[in-house]
Amino acid sequence: DAGVIQSPRHEVTEMGQEVTLRCKPISGHNSLFWYRQTMMRGLELLIYFNNNVPIDDSGMPEDRFSAKMPNASFSTLKIQPSEPRDSAVYFCASSRLALLDEQFFGPGTRLTVL
Amino acid sequence: KNEVEQSPQNLTAQEGEFITINCSYSVGISALHWLQQHPGGGIVSLFMLSSGKKKHGRLIATINIQEKHSSLHITASHPRDSAVYICAVAKIQGAQKLVFGQGTRLTINP
Repeated sequence: DAGVIQSPRHEVTEMGQEVTLRCKPISGHNSLFWYRQTMMRGLELLIYFNNNVPIDDSGMPEDRFSAKMPNASFSTLKIQPSEPRDSAVYFCASSRLALLDEQFFGPGTRLTVL
Repeated sequence: KNEVEQSPQNLTAQEGEFITINCSYSVGISALHWLQQHPGGGIVSLFMLSSGKKKHGRLIATINIQEKHSSLHITASHPRDSAVYICAVAKIQGAQKLVFGQGTRLTINP
């Protein structure tokens, strides 16, 4: 298996632009997680899905952030409009059983908002 | 006070030393995760524990549910173990939430 795939690996954009991050989980995994990591706040769980249904989105910072999982093999995290404080590394992870199983992380997307 | 506290925040040791990293939490949990993040940024899940002890190679993780405490041990440490180790707990609160410790930066010198 190729592991969790994220794209793009790096994104540089200007404030106000829409940003879409993509994730393909490991085949057969039922749960998908979106994380954000910054120097100031460390690693934070933004949202996670179980069987394509959002279970907990309390970590999503603002209405500017939205996440979708239209099918078992694809998820997006969208920021619209982006702001400089959104600059961070965004990780996607998947597992077989939500928070009760080992998570496999993607390589992350480094987002820079100018 | 943070719900998950790790200690120490930074640890430097010599190759071969026995390493212990601690994680204490103050909430009810259903599971505890230990993650490793290498200098290149990649994150790897080391263990998921709900009770007792697990071992993988030179790594051992234990959890004491009554004391709300977990430890990660590394035997015969090696410079390639240098990384940030992160404890995270699956908090029982309606829909489960994952809360992270601040991480422990480990440096093993040759």
